Amino acid sequence: GESVGLHLPTLSVQEGDNSIINCAYSNSASDYFIWYKQESGKGPQFIIDIRSNMDKRQGQRVTVLLNKTVKHLSLQIAATQPGDSAVYFCAERGAYGQNFVFGPGTRLSVLP
Amino acid sequence: NAGVTQTPKFRVLKTGQSMTLLCAQDMNHEYMYWYRQDPGMGLRLIHYSVGEGTTAKGEVPDGYNVSRLKKQNFLLGLESAAPSQTSVYFCASSYSPRTYGYTFGSGTRLTVV
Repeated sequence: GESVGLHLPTLSVQEGDNSIINCAYSNSASDYFIWYKQESGKGPQFIIDIRSNMDKRQGQRVTVLLNKTVKHLSLQIAATQPGDSAVYFCAERGAYGQNFVFGPGTRLSVLP
Repeated sequence: NAGVTQTPKFRVLKTGQSMTLLCAQDMNHEYMYWYRQDPGMGLRLIHYSVGEGTTAKGEVPDGYNVSRLKKQNFLLGLESAAPSQTSVYFCASSYSPRTYGYTFGSGTRLTVV
């Protein structure tokens, strides 16, 4: 993925609004994608995953959309809460590879 | 069930010193990984292991060594620490990366002065 240097992209949303976090992935052969949430001082936590044979998957308050045509992944969070404030990473795994490649992350800031 | 445990959580080293970071998982996972995370950047893979007794290089292996003598433990060594190795180090494990994602530890913050 691209490096954005020292400054992460930041998304600020009002509490209660919906959030959409985007990720462009690099490998058209990637077949498995995961969104991770990382709170300050903690390790990344699994949120939701999607495989390349799907274009949408829903979890509790979260939805992941996959557009393979433009190699784009998005994470939608419904009714964003203060506890959703974190850095969100997308990760892709190539069809023949064993290791995930992580994007640089997006910081989500929830405003009261 | 502790998941993935990393020790220590914090460490300050002088340039040239050596140290070992320990990762332990209790989920019987075959695959284990060491990543480093620097400000504003994603996770970069240092080394990984696909099973007991195996290790392989990742994206940024220089200056690090690893060992997987027991299935539950994955050790990351710095033989001669450099300021460029100041980072947060994360260990992760997976049952099968083809099917599941990774479970991460809480990280080790290392400062090399």
